[in-house]
Amino acid sequence: GQNIDQPTEMTATEGAIVQINCTYQTSGFNGLFWYQQHAGEAPTFLSYNVLDGLEEKGRFSSFLSRSKGYSYLLLKELQMKDSASYLCAALDSNYQLIWGAGTKLIIKP
Amino acid sequence: SAVISQKPSRDICQRGTSLTIQCQVDSQVTMMFWYRQQPGQSLTLIATANQGSEATYESGFVIDKFPISRPNLTFSTLTVSNMSPEDSSIYLCSVETYTQYFGPGTRLTVL
Repeated sequence: GQNIDQPTEMTATEGAIVQINCTYQTSGFNGLFWYQQHAGEAPTFLSYNVLDGLEEKGRFSSFLSRSKGYSYLLLKELQMKDSASYLCAALDSNYQLIWGAGTKLIIKP
Repeated sequence: SAVISQKPSRDICQRGTSLTIQCQVDSQVTMMFWYRQQPGQSLTLIATANQGSEATYESGFVIDKFPISRPNLTFSTLTVSNMSPEDSSIYLCSVETYTQYFGPGTRLTVL
């Protein structure tokens, strides 16, 4: 079956760095997405990786290892506004998105 | 990126009634999707709305309960029929261009 695993909740301190991991098992693979979702709002796109390696975008970076079925989202210089859920989603061979349950990130002062 | 609007943004409905949610995109898109997100959970795909043909429903969702229209490449509706409290959820439409973008969602509460 197809499956996405990510931690349910993480806590980090303002100004610090946090890494949110995601492992996936899909029928075929056409890329890995990360979305941010603030409480009561729709998800917003953060990143897309289809090749191995690290993609950096300001304070946020996303990494992919296709051979390991593994990705992580790295958030640097954490701000209180980064408190949100982070959703990992993999695109399978039919170009269907398989969604993880999301990681709730709590930022403490 | 695509700009997506949804109406209504929220509603409170009585058991047994139906609600139609509208999704409007600012550009023509091939793929439109309807998702449900129940409190504290991730996104569940309800169906893919196809222009000019019937929607494609995911396992556990049926047309009689969630009829969908897709009259053109910029618009779609999802109806939640014969509602029960279990249908209380956020309903999101999304479109796929290079990536997937979401509308602001419709927060539905069924009493």
